[in-house]
Amino acid sequence: GQQVMQIPQYQHVQEGEDFTTYCNSSTTLSNIQWYKQRPGGHPVFLIQLVKSGEVKKQKRLTFQFGEAKKNSSLHITATQTTDVGTYFCAVPLSGNTGKLIFGQGTTLQVKP
Amino acid sequence: EPEVTQTPSHQVTQMGQEVILRCVPISNHLYFYWYRQILGQKVEFLVSFYNNEISEKSEIFDDQFSVERPDGSNFTLKIRSTKLEDSAMYFCASLVAAEQYFGPGTRLTVT
Repeated sequence: GQQVMQIPQYQHVQEGEDFTTYCNSSTTLSNIQWYKQRPGGHPVFLIQLVKSGEVKKQKRLTFQFGEAKKNSSLHITATQTTDVGTYFCAVPLSGNTGKLIFGQGTTLQVKP
Repeated sequence: EPEVTQTPSHQVTQMGQEVILRCVPISNHLYFYWYRQILGQKVEFLVSFYNNEISEKSEIFDDQFSVERPDGSNFTLKIRSTKLEDSAMYFCASLVAAEQYFGPGTRLTVT
């Protein structure tokens, strides 16, 4: 079945450093979503990318969808302690109402 | 802001017992989902529900699992005879405009 590979599994950064997590698929994706899960919390939707080569920004977060629609990245500039958590990419199957297939997640720790 | 609610927040049960996990999705949402997350692992899809019936289920969702929408608001996940490996966080989600809103989860511990 559909799988998305996400790397790295863990990332420890000093506050103020940048952070990037990557998702890769062997098949072309119709779209990809990103979620954040704080420690002990639940996944919270961040964004959906649909178009080839799309770049979207939310304050210090930059999301990219690859030209071939097989990979995506989330980049955080100048991390803050509030960025701590696990970031998951997720692929909706069977259209936008279908199940989400989650990547393994990247857990970000930020040292103050 | 409307949110998905789940009860209980934590359920401890003995192996072989039945559990019912409850969810109240956001009121005008039509698609509902259950996911589970074993500690430290990724979120896994269990089942989707639309128009009062299952629209899709994963291989995890075997005969021990069932879902119901007994009234206009609640959405339940029943595990008939729990196993140790059912210990996990169970998240309910509901959908609007391609965005799935997750509830806070129920931590199920099977002893």
